[in-house]
Amino acid sequence: NAGVMQNPRHLVRRRGQEARLRCSPVKGHSHVYWYRQLPEEGLKFMVYLQKENIIDESGMPKERFSAEFPKEGPSILRIQQVVRGDSAAYFCASSDAYSNSPLHFGNGTRLTVT
Amino acid sequence: DQQVKQNSPSLSVQEGRISILNCDYTNSMFDYFLWYKKYPAEGPTFLISISSIKDKNEDGRFTVFLNKSAKHLSLHIVPSQPGDSAVYFCAASGSGTYKYIFGTGTRLKVLA
Repeated sequence: NAGVMQNPRHLVRRRGQEARLRCSPVKGHSHVYWYRQLPEEGLKFMVYLQKENIIDESGMPKERFSAEFPKEGPSILRIQQVVRGDSAAYFCASSDAYSNSPLHFGNGTRLTVT
Repeated sequence: DQQVKQNSPSLSVQEGRISILNCDYTNSMFDYFLWYKKYPAEGPTFLISISSIKDKNEDGRFTVFLNKSAKHLSLHIVPSQPGDSAVYFCAASGSGTYKYIFGTGTRLKVLA
């Protein structure tokens, strides 16, 4: 009865490297969200995906960031050529419905860019 | 443009007393509201929700009140316990939409 699983929990990257964050939703959930939390700030929406489709990526920077949720396997948030400002906690959440259904969050990946 | 606001960054309450956390929103299209609790180094945990057709929802020690005319909701925790010490986020979404907008959080400290 696993909840949302994110890995790795901690990720350290040097400026210019790539970061890959993985998220396995609750079994049976087909809606995946990624949120970012900067220090001392709230949760900012980045992207909403359903299986094989990006529904809304309006909260994601246009450059260097991409997300996918393939038919098989986890959802991936990919950040290319990381910069120090990308350092944050990235949370994945899933739900079983399009609306009016609570999001279930993973424990996040804390990305540190050195 | 912060559509969901939690104006109190922190709150301290004595154990056994009531904790009241407040949240204001600006978008009149929001019709579903949630509260989450977050401990350090963990993800947010869902606590309680309320639909705009109600003005109150209760679950054990947690009660959420919604005042649509004031665009205001509050979370009451009674009695407060030291284990309730955490950051609390309110969130809102609009009718038939998927996007949940979160406030900036209120750090609750319950003193033993």
